[in-house]
Amino acid sequence: ETGVTQTPRHLVMGMTNKKSLKCEQHLGHNAMYWYKQSAKKPLELMFVYSLEERVENNSVPSRFSPECPNSSHLFLHLHTLQPEDSALYLCASSQDFKGNTEAFFGQGTRLTVV
Amino acid sequence: AQKVTQAQTEISVVEKEDVTLDCVYETRDTTYYLFWYKQPPSGELVFLIRRNSFDEQNEISGRYSWNFQKSTSSFNFTITASQVVDSAVYFCALSEAADSNYQLIWGAGTKLIIKP
Repeated sequence: ETGVTQTPRHLVMGMTNKKSLKCEQHLGHNAMYWYKQSAKKPLELMFVYSLEERVENNSVPSRFSPECPNSSHLFLHLHTLQPEDSALYLCASSQDFKGNTEAFFGQGTRLTVV
Repeated sequence: AQKVTQAQTEISVVEKEDVTLDCVYETRDTTYYLFWYKQPPSGELVFLIRRNSFDEQNEISGRYSWNFQKSTSSFNFTITASQVVDSAVYFCALSEAADSNYQLIWGAGTKLIIKP
């Protein structure tokens, strides 16, 4: 039990579909993150939220839309994705978003775009 | 430029052998933090250790030990008497205190295979 729960664990979607990934943390943390992990590539930070405000957006295409309704929940809304968006999407949380605090990760959503 | 290099893409050893995973980093900052994470087949990254740039003491936690050497910009990770359950991908990462946007710079990872 990592304290960070992601759903669904697996998702297959067509390029015209709209879906959402959900992340929930029970650790009382103030910062939450979305990462993308593709085969043979380093982990890519997509979004950072601190106290429900977005503090980082690493030039992510607009077909990915994050939402943080409160400090415990984080969503990633997906629409009109491309096959190259297939990857493992990891959610993480940390006490704050300063670089000296460790992050706790969920098990990820394995996304396949067909 | 910030960079983390894990030159070993994959390591395979037999159970009970000792194994060292290398991590070399580059940074211009004097205050920075180094991390190791483990990613088992289940997918989640598990935090193992954080070290700040002012603390060069080596760390030991059970069968795990870390050797931080600023002179060579390395933060290597050793598993003693490896076990099958240690099989995973291990990531080294760096963050700089001067980076107000919080960017963890990740290495490419080393896949460790422990054979019974």
